[in-house]
Amino acid sequence: GDSVTQMEGPVTLSEEAFLTINCTYTATGYPSLFWYVQYPGEGLQLLLKATKADDKGSNKGFEATYRKETTSFHLEKGSVQVSDSAVYFCALWDTDKLIFGTGTRLQVFP
Amino acid sequence: GAVVSQHPSWVICKSGTSVKIECRSLDFQATTMFWYRQFPKQSLMLMATSNEGSKATYEQGVEKDKFLINHASLTLSTLTVTSAHPEDSSFYICSGQSTEPNTEAFFGQGTRLTVV
Repeated sequence: GDSVTQMEGPVTLSEEAFLTINCTYTATGYPSLFWYVQYPGEGLQLLLKATKADDKGSNKGFEATYRKETTSFHLEKGSVQVSDSAVYFCALWDTDKLIFGTGTRLQVFP
Repeated sequence: GAVVSQHPSWVICKSGTSVKIECRSLDFQATTMFWYRQFPKQSLMLMATSNEGSKATYEQGVEKDKFLINHASLTLSTLTVTSAHPEDSSFYICSGQSTEPNTEAFFGQGTRLTVV
């Protein structure tokens, strides 16, 4: 079945550093891809999405490009802030449900 | 974006009692509701999918008699943990989706359940 693989965390960065969180997927078709963010003690919030190959999703300085050839959807941000500290989940839409990666914890220090 | 309200945000109950968690879509009709369970530092595990007016579809390994799901209207779904035990302690999250296919799902704030 379809699956999502994320890099293991935690990812620890200093403020203003460049962020990359890798995400690759396995799917029979071309599913929509998502990044969700979970702040401590809260549910998930949609961060960005892409619905077809070569689409770039972006929000709050975060970006991810749907790469069909490498089956990837890596999350990037040019300059992280302390407030970006959270758990980030990559996900794909599989017919009738979301399939999540294991999540990557990001810790940003001042 | 659309809002899903989940209540309560946290609950403590005694072993053997039942706990009900509510999930409401506030500004859209959630044809489908999903219930997840999240263990510490782990991903979300889908427990069941419910469509308004029909029985929920449970994922393999999830006890349907223990985790009762009701989706009686397009704006409300409930999860009842029956005869709770300490191992049921977890973070439960709901999400709702409208009728349009391949669209995002909106998540509730989650419920921290502690069974003592």
